[in-house]
Amino acid sequence: QVQLQESGPGLVKPSQTLSLTCTVSGDSDSDFKYYWTWIRQPAGKGLEWVGRVSRTGITDYNPSLRSRVTLSVDTSKSQFSLTLFSVTAADTAVYYCARETEEITSPSWGLYDYFYYMDVWGKGTTVTVSS
Amino acid sequence: DIQMTQSPSSLSASVGDTVTISCRSSQTISRSLNWYQQKPGKAPNLLISAAYSLRSGVPSRFGGGGSGTDFTLTIRSLQPEDFATYYCQQSDSVPYSFGQGTKLELK
Repeated sequence: QVQLQESGPGLVKPSQTLSLTCTVSGDSDSDFKYYWTWIRQPAGKGLEWVGRVSRTGITDYNPSLRSRVTLSVDTSKSQFSLTLFSVTAADTAVYYCARETEEITSPSWGLYDYFYYMDVWGKGTTVTVSS
Repeated sequence: DIQMTQSPSSLSASVGDTVTISCRSSQTISRSLNWYQQKPGKAPNLLISAAYSLRSGVPSRFGGGGSGTDFTLTIRSLQPEDFATYYCQQSDSVPYSFGQGTKLELK
């Protein structure tokens, strides 16, 4: 069974760079395609999708963070990473890594539906931005 | 970007009740809608994918419905462990987005 574990500093100073790593353990089903995703949640608030990276390094970012965030993957280490530049107090949150699975169904011959969902999550790591 | 709106934002109910949470997307997303349950201090847990596909291990009292722009999560015969916060999430197009959450509280 796949498990994810976030790691990184719990405290970052304003204007500095936040770096988090997610380590993947266990085997994913090779019949599926996966993306590796980051989601964050400020205390007492809702979930915000940060972005995702494929195993080949293709990335998608939330436009609200695109200018400050970089996602990368290291398949040799079974890890993927988030780097967030120029952090402010607004970046204080619990950061989750998650596996996004692509599922393909065929409702009728020749037709295909694609569905995506985050089915495995890390426990989350709290990051505080403060001097 | 697609905006997701959940209602209500909070809901009080008793054990044994049936409740329904609504989720609306700002544009049509077919069935690309997932539901998650989150308990305090824990990561979200996927309950339903593709609008109504119940995930393995999720009790059958949970049910999803809808397509297009309007979706529902229904929980029948509420159990004590169901009191949590529920989020919908669209996976039709990036950037993915979540509803603001519905906190289900014990009356």
